[in-house]
Amino acid sequence: EDQVTQSPEALRLQEGESSSLNCSYTVSGLRGLFWYRQDPGKGPEFLFTLYSAGEEKEKERLKATLTKKESFLHITAPKPEDSATYLCAALASGGSYIPTFGRGTSLIVHP
Amino acid sequence: EPEVTQTPSHQVTQMGQEVILRCVPISNHLYFYWYRQILGQKVEFLVSFYNNEISEKSEIFDDQFSVERPDGSNFTLKIRSTKLEDSAMYFCASGRENEQYFGPGTRLTVT
Repeated sequence: EDQVTQSPEALRLQEGESSSLNCSYTVSGLRGLFWYRQDPGKGPEFLFTLYSAGEEKEKERLKATLTKKESFLHITAPKPEDSATYLCAALASGGSYIPTFGRGTSLIVHP
Repeated sequence: EPEVTQTPSHQVTQMGQEVILRCVPISNHLYFYWYRQILGQKVEFLVSFYNNEISEKSEIFDDQFSVERPDGSNFTLKIRSTKLEDSAMYFCASGRENEQYFGPGTRLTVT
Protein backbone atom coordinates (compact mmCIF):
# COMPACT_ATOMS: atom_id res chain seq x y z
CA GLU A 1 0.00 0.00 0.00
CA ASP A 2 1.28 3.45 -0.93
CA GLN A 3 2.06 5.65 2.07
CA VAL A 4 3.11 9.22 2.59
CA THR A 5 4.20 10.45 6.02
CA GLN A 6 4.96 14.06 6.80
CA SER A 7 6.89 15.39 9.77
CA PRO A 8 6.70 17.28 11.94
CA GLU A 9 2.91 17.61 12.25
CA ALA A 10 3.35 21.19 13.41
CA LEU A 11 6.24 23.61 13.37
CA ARG A 12 6.57 27.04 14.92
CA LEU A 13 9.38 29.27 13.68
CA GLN A 14 10.48 32.79 14.33
CA GLU A 15 10.63 35.05 11.33
CA GLY A 16 13.97 34.47 9.63
CA GLU A 17 14.54 31.07 11.25
CA SER A 18 15.16 28.60 8.41
CA SER A 19 13.98 25.00 8.68
CA SER A 20 12.94 21.94 6.68
CA LEU A 21 9.78 19.88 6.40
CA ASN A 22 10.00 16.18 5.66
CA CYS A 23 7.90 13.94 3.44
CA SER A 24 8.69 10.21 3.49
CA TYR A 25 7.04 8.10 0.85
CA THR A 26 6.60 4.43 0.14
CA VAL A 27 5.21 3.85 -3.32
CA SER A 28 5.75 1.20 -5.94
CA GLY A 29 7.89 3.33 -8.22
CA LEU A 30 7.58 7.10 -8.07
CA ARG A 31 6.07 8.93 -11.01
CA GLY A 32 6.01 12.28 -9.24
CA LEU A 33 6.17 13.94 -5.81
CA PHE A 34 4.03 17.02 -5.34
CA TRP A 35 4.18 19.83 -2.79
CA TYR A 36 1.19 22.03 -2.06
CA ARG A 37 0.50 24.91 0.27
CA GLN A 38 -2.94 25.03 1.91
CA ASP A 39 -4.30 28.03 3.78
CA PRO A 40 -7.18 27.48 6.24
CA GLY A 41 -10.50 26.94 4.46
CA LYS A 42 -8.86 27.06 1.03
CA GLY A 43 -7.84 24.58 -1.63
CA PRO A 44 -4.29 23.30 -1.93
CA GLU A 45 -2.08 25.59 -4.01
CA PHE A 46 0.35 23.78 -6.29
CA LEU A 47 4.01 24.49 -5.55
CA PHE A 48 6.27 21.87 -7.15
CA THR A 49 6.47 18.52 -8.86
CA LEU A 50 9.67 16.50 -8.47
CA TYR A 51 10.31 13.48 -10.64
CA SER A 52 13.66 11.92 -9.83
CA ALA A 53 16.16 11.62 -6.99
CA GLY A 54 18.54 14.55 -6.87
CA GLU A 55 16.09 16.96 -8.42
CA GLU A 56 15.60 20.36 -6.79
CA LYS A 57 13.10 23.13 -7.44
CA GLU A 58 12.88 26.61 -5.95
CA LYS A 59 10.24 29.25 -5.58
CA GLU A 60 10.97 32.37 -3.55
CA ARG A 61 11.92 31.19 -0.04
CA LEU A 62 11.01 27.56 -0.74
CA LYS A 63 13.23 24.81 -2.11
CA ALA A 64 12.08 21.24 -2.60
CA THR A 65 14.49 18.34 -2.89
CA LEU A 66 13.98 14.64 -3.57
CA THR A 67 15.76 11.43 -2.64
CA LYS A 68 14.70 7.86 -3.29
CA LYS A 69 12.75 7.71 -0.04
CA GLU A 70 11.88 11.24 0.98
CA SER A 71 11.46 14.83 -0.03
CA PHE A 72 12.32 17.94 1.90
CA LEU A 73 10.79 21.37 1.69
CA HIS A 74 13.38 23.86 2.87
CA ILE A 75 12.13 27.26 3.99
CA THR A 76 14.80 29.93 4.07
CA ALA A 77 14.29 33.02 6.23
CA PRO A 78 10.53 32.50 6.49
CA LYS A 79 8.07 35.35 6.88
CA PRO A 80 4.70 35.31 8.68
CA GLU A 81 2.95 35.06 5.31
CA ASP A 82 4.56 31.64 4.83
CA SER A 83 2.33 30.34 7.62
CA ALA A 84 0.16 27.58 6.14
CA THR A 85 -0.17 23.82 6.00
CA TYR A 86 2.24 22.23 3.55
CA LEU A 87 1.06 19.02 1.90
CA CYS A 88 3.00 16.50 -0.06
CA ALA A 89 1.56 13.83 -2.30
CA ALA A 90 3.18 10.94 -4.14
CA LEU A 91 2.07 9.52 -7.45
CA ALA A 92 3.12 5.94 -8.12
CA SER A 93 4.11 4.65 -11.49
CA GLY A 94 1.76 2.28 -13.24
CA GLY A 95 -1.68 2.80 -14.67
CA SER A 96 -3.15 4.83 -11.81
CA TYR A 97 -2.98 8.61 -11.55
CA ILE A 98 -4.33 8.73 -8.00
CA PRO A 99 -1.91 10.61 -5.72
CA THR A 100 -1.50 9.63 -2.08
CA PHE A 101 -1.49 12.65 0.21
CA GLY A 102 0.23 13.07 3.53
CA ARG A 103 -1.49 14.71 6.50
CA GLY A 104 0.53 17.87 6.11
CA THR A 105 2.80 20.01 8.28
CA SER A 106 1.19 23.04 9.86
CA LEU A 107 3.73 25.87 9.82
CA ILE A 108 3.37 29.01 11.91
CA VAL A 109 5.93 31.76 11.50
CA HIS A 110 5.92 34.34 14.28
CA PRO A 111 6.98 37.91 13.57
CA GLU B 1 -3.67 33.84 -14.18
CA PRO B 2 -6.49 31.35 -14.80
CA GLU B 3 -7.95 29.61 -11.76
CA VAL B 4 -10.30 26.78 -10.97
CA THR B 5 -13.55 28.13 -9.56
CA GLN B 6 -16.17 26.33 -7.50
CA THR B 7 -19.72 27.11 -6.46
CA PRO B 8 -21.24 27.33 -3.99
CA SER B 9 -18.59 28.10 -1.42
CA HIS B 10 -20.79 26.65 1.32
CA GLN B 11 -23.78 24.32 1.03
CA VAL B 12 -25.96 23.23 3.91
CA THR B 13 -28.33 20.37 3.24
CA GLN B 14 -30.47 17.90 5.11
CA MET B 15 -29.63 14.23 5.25
CA GLY B 16 -31.13 12.38 2.29
CA GLN B 17 -31.19 15.40 0.00
CA GLU B 18 -29.37 15.60 -3.30
CA VAL B 19 -26.63 18.16 -3.82
CA ILE B 20 -24.76 19.27 -6.91
CA LEU B 21 -21.36 20.86 -6.53
CA ARG B 22 -20.09 22.85 -9.49
CA CYS B 23 -16.63 23.54 -10.83
CA VAL B 24 -15.21 25.47 -13.75
CA PRO B 25 -11.79 24.00 -14.54
CA ILE B 26 -8.96 25.88 -16.23
CA SER B 27 -9.88 26.01 -19.89
CA ASN B 28 -6.96 24.22 -21.57
CA HIS B 29 -6.72 21.42 -19.02
CA LEU B 30 -7.69 17.90 -19.99
CA TYR B 31 -7.82 16.11 -16.63
CA PHE B 32 -10.42 16.84 -13.97
CA TYR B 33 -10.66 15.58 -10.43
CA TRP B 34 -12.79 15.68 -7.32
CA TYR B 35 -11.30 15.32 -3.87
CA ARG B 36 -12.71 15.70 -0.40
CA GLN B 37 -11.17 16.66 2.90
CA ILE B 38 -12.96 15.94 6.14
CA LEU B 39 -12.04 18.48 8.81
CA GLY B 40 -8.59 17.70 10.19
CA GLN B 41 -8.06 14.76 7.85
CA LYS B 42 -6.07 14.04 4.70
CA VAL B 43 -7.11 15.10 1.25
CA GLU B 44 -8.85 12.05 -0.27
CA PHE B 45 -9.21 11.30 -3.95
CA LEU B 46 -12.75 10.66 -5.21
CA VAL B 47 -12.69 10.51 -8.99
CA SER B 48 -10.79 11.56 -12.09
CA PHE B 49 -12.30 12.41 -15.45
CA TYR B 50 -10.60 12.46 -18.83
CA ASN B 51 -11.88 12.51 -22.35
CA ASN B 52 -15.46 12.84 -21.16
CA GLU B 53 -15.44 9.77 -19.01
CA ILE B 54 -14.39 8.59 -15.58
CA SER B 55 -10.81 7.36 -15.71
CA GLU B 56 -10.42 6.33 -12.08
CA LYS B 57 -12.47 6.34 -8.91
CA SER B 58 -11.81 5.50 -5.30
CA GLU B 59 -13.83 3.22 -3.06
CA ILE B 60 -15.39 6.35 -1.54
CA PHE B 61 -16.98 7.14 -4.90
CA ASP B 62 -19.91 4.73 -4.62
CA ASP B 63 -23.29 4.71 -6.38
CA GLN B 64 -24.37 7.80 -4.44
CA PHE B 65 -21.87 9.89 -6.39
CA SER B 66 -21.80 10.88 -10.04
CA VAL B 67 -19.87 13.33 -12.16
CA GLU B 68 -20.74 15.14 -15.35
CA ARG B 69 -19.24 17.62 -17.74
CA PRO B 70 -22.57 18.92 -19.05
CA ASP B 71 -21.45 21.70 -21.38
CA GLY B 72 -17.72 21.41 -22.06
CA SER B 73 -16.74 23.92 -19.40
CA ASN B 74 -18.49 23.02 -16.16
CA PHE B 75 -17.70 19.90 -14.17
CA THR B 76 -20.18 18.75 -11.54
CA LEU B 77 -20.26 16.33 -8.64
CA LYS B 78 -23.66 15.05 -7.60
CA ILE B 79 -24.37 13.31 -4.32
CA ARG B 80 -27.78 11.67 -4.61
CA SER B 81 -28.76 11.09 -1.01
CA THR B 82 -26.46 12.84 1.40
CA LYS B 83 -25.36 11.29 4.67
CA LEU B 84 -23.98 12.99 7.75
CA GLU B 85 -20.54 11.57 6.98
CA ASP B 86 -20.52 13.35 3.62
CA SER B 87 -19.88 16.62 5.48
CA ALA B 88 -16.48 17.79 4.23
CA MET B 89 -14.69 20.24 1.97
CA TYR B 90 -14.99 19.14 -1.64
CA PHE B 91 -12.26 20.26 -3.98
CA CYS B 92 -12.28 20.22 -7.73
CA ALA B 93 -8.93 20.15 -9.50
CA SER B 94 -7.88 20.33 -13.12
CA GLY B 95 -4.56 19.84 -14.74
CA ARG B 96 -2.19 18.07 -16.98
CA GLU B 97 -0.74 14.65 -16.35
CA ASN B 98 1.58 15.53 -13.47
CA GLU B 99 0.20 18.84 -12.21
CA GLN B 100 -3.12 19.50 -10.52
CA TYR B 101 -4.55 22.90 -9.69
CA PHE B 102 -7.19 22.97 -7.01
CA GLY B 103 -10.21 25.18 -6.65
CA PRO B 104 -11.12 26.95 -3.42
CA GLY B 105 -13.52 24.20 -2.39
CA THR B 106 -17.16 23.84 -1.39
CA ARG B 107 -17.85 23.27 2.27
CA LEU B 108 -20.71 20.77 2.46
CA THR B 109 -22.56 20.52 5.76
CA VAL B 110 -25.13 17.75 6.09
CA THR B 111 -27.52 18.12 9.03
